[in-house]
Amino acid sequence: LAKTTQPISMDSYEGQEVNITCSHNNIATNDYITWYQQFPSQGPRFIIQGYKTKVTNEVASLFIPADRKSSTLSLPRVSLSDTAVYYCLVGDPVTGFQKLVFGTGTRLLVSP
Amino acid sequence: DVKVTQSSRYLVKRTGEKVFLECVQDMDHENMFWYRQDPGLGLRLIYFSYDVKMKEKGDIPEGYSVSREKKERFSLILESASTNQTSMYLCASSSIRVSSYNEQFFGPGTRLTVL
Repeated sequence: LAKTTQPISMDSYEGQEVNITCSHNNIATNDYITWYQQFPSQGPRFIIQGYKTKVTNEVASLFIPADRKSSTLSLPRVSLSDTAVYYCLVGDPVTGFQKLVFGTGTRLLVSP
Repeated sequence: DVKVTQSSRYLVKRTGEKVFLECVQDMDHENMFWYRQDPGLGLRLIYFSYDVKMKEKGDIPEGYSVSREKKERFSLILESASTNQTSMYLCASSSIRVSSYNEQFFGPGTRLTVL
């Protein structure tokens, strides 16, 4: 299973762009990169997923370089409500979905 | 809107009691999961099921069992609760459809305290 490494915590201010980078040096060919968000006292929520290059949805963008050994979750113009824990996961959706490892995530604190 | 519900948000039990945590999903998902979440340890997979009556051990199955008699329902059982099983328990489900890679839908969680 690909192990991921991400910062324990990050601080930001409202309106700023936040980039959270995740390292996954031993990512396998069939692995996808997935990010989840978790608010206090709630279950994690799927944000975005990608395989290579760039993926964008209404919530975030995901940048994946050609070697796929890292990925960056980008949150544009964060607000106080983006304060949460963000998890980076790597896994093969066909054979390894059940083995996604959440780890401890990155705790993002957005201040006024 | 997709929904995963868990039977209780908060539960207090005594050491040695048998505890049942219920999870129901309304999305016709094939896969269901039980995690526990503890401070500093992230989410850890206890058991998962990819079909009715099928189950697979996750990373920390000791002290737990599961039951999946119907597709929409996945139960976690603590045969004899112990204080080290005090935790937040999260249920999740996912589809096997290729278009839903790695997307798990989580319930609100059950905070279990064992005294």
